[in-house]
Amino acid sequence: QKEVEQNSGPLSVPEGAIASLNCTYSDRGSQSFFWYRQYSGKSPELIMSIYSNGDKEDGRFTAQLNKASQYVSLLIRDSQPSDSATYLCAVMAFGNRDDKIIFGKGTRLHILP
Amino acid sequence: ETGVTQTPRHLVMGMTNKKSLKCEQHLGHNAMYWYKQSAKKPLELMFVYSLEERVENNSVPSRFSPECPNSSHLFLHLHTLQPEDSALYLCASSQDLRGRGETQYFGPGTRLLVL
Repeated sequence: QKEVEQNSGPLSVPEGAIASLNCTYSDRGSQSFFWYRQYSGKSPELIMSIYSNGDKEDGRFTAQLNKASQYVSLLIRDSQPSDSATYLCAVMAFGNRDDKIIFGKGTRLHILP
Repeated sequence: ETGVTQTPRHLVMGMTNKKSLKCEQHLGHNAMYWYKQSAKKPLELMFVYSLEERVENNSVPSRFSPECPNSSHLFLHLHTLQPEDSALYLCASSQDLRGRGETQYFGPGTRLLVL
């Protein structure tokens, strides 16, 4: 059973601080990794995708991937109240008929004003 | 606005009703998906279509019946649902099923309540 694990939170972070969200996955064949943000009552929206080991930065967001340790993280610098949402980690392996994108349950992030 | 639209946005139905959910993508993508999102659970993949051919069915009950008449439209036909089927049903599309084109873009969802 392929799994994606996230701490459900809530994770409370003061405004202006760095929020760190972590995700681990079980399938070593995973190749594609995504972070989605979902506001309450809304559908998920893609924030970051990462495919190679290391860091990928986009504005205040940095995704970090370590395939050897099977974890992917999302850092949010200078956290804002508008960052308060549930963050979904998604992982996909491809190359065979069984590949599909698998989502974690999400981590609720609360930025404290 | 992600280029993926869903109708209706809200739906209340009885257990004996028949209804359909509609999804349309304006992105020129080749793959479309139906997901179910229930409280406290991860997104559950229900169906995957690639170029109008169903390639994934995650053991979804037969009371859910998908239809993909072309690469831009996806339907989910609902029949004799149960109260536990109440959830947010999300449609998504991606350029391709595999490789770098698999980033999925979600529609706004249909909030379904089964009485």
